[in-house]
Amino acid sequence: GALVYQYPRRTICKSGTSMRMECQAVGFQATSVAWYRQSPQKTFELIALSTVNSAIKYEQNFTQEKFPISHPNLSFSSMTVLNAYLEDRGLYLCGARLGLGSYEQYFGPGTRLTVL
Amino acid sequence: GDSVTQTEGQVALSEEDFLTIHCNYSASGYPTLFWYVQYPGEGPQLLFRASRDKEKGSSRGFEATYDKGTTSFHLRKASVQESDSAVYYCALSDPGANTGKLTFGHGTILRVHP
Repeated sequence: GALVYQYPRRTICKSGTSMRMECQAVGFQATSVAWYRQSPQKTFELIALSTVNSAIKYEQNFTQEKFPISHPNLSFSSMTVLNAYLEDRGLYLCGARLGLGSYEQYFGPGTRLTVL
Repeated sequence: GDSVTQTEGQVALSEEDFLTIHCNYSASGYPTLFWYVQYPGEGPQLLFRASRDKEKGSSRGFEATYDKGTTSFHLRKASVQESDSAVYYCALSDPGANTGKLTFGHGTILRVHP
């Protein structure tokens, strides 16, 4: 079945520093990857969508300058949280879609970011 | 914009009780509807989806029927177990845009007591 791995599972960084997280699709090629942040209140915010052969599209309130994303191939994506502050804490989830004609999105376990 | 509303924030049941979690949506076009379940420390797992009116999705004893007339996709299970305790999310994806963007409800915490 489709599997999505995320690394690291947990990370702690000092306020003002940056951290990078990775997302790997195993057993399938992800034609699109979506990065979400799940707040402590459990709501989901879409950060950006990265679709193969298209530019990465960021949602309002999220920018490339703050959350640069790399999507070099159909099985791997990474995102960096630059200059992290307290409001950036949460569970960062990667959702990968199998194909352009597929609506299912499979999620990794997430990277939990704590900012001190 | 698109939105998903889950009426219940928390549901507490005993084992073998009947479960209903209400989900209503607002979207342009004909969205695909999903139910996801999230266990502690894990990402959301897809339960099932439905893409057209009157289509029923089901998995692990859970089911929901797409109702375009009432813009609903209520989750039901006839007999819950303690292992069903988790957070359940209703979500939609607008296939017309074909972006893969999911819009989630706020989630319903289900606690099942033995």
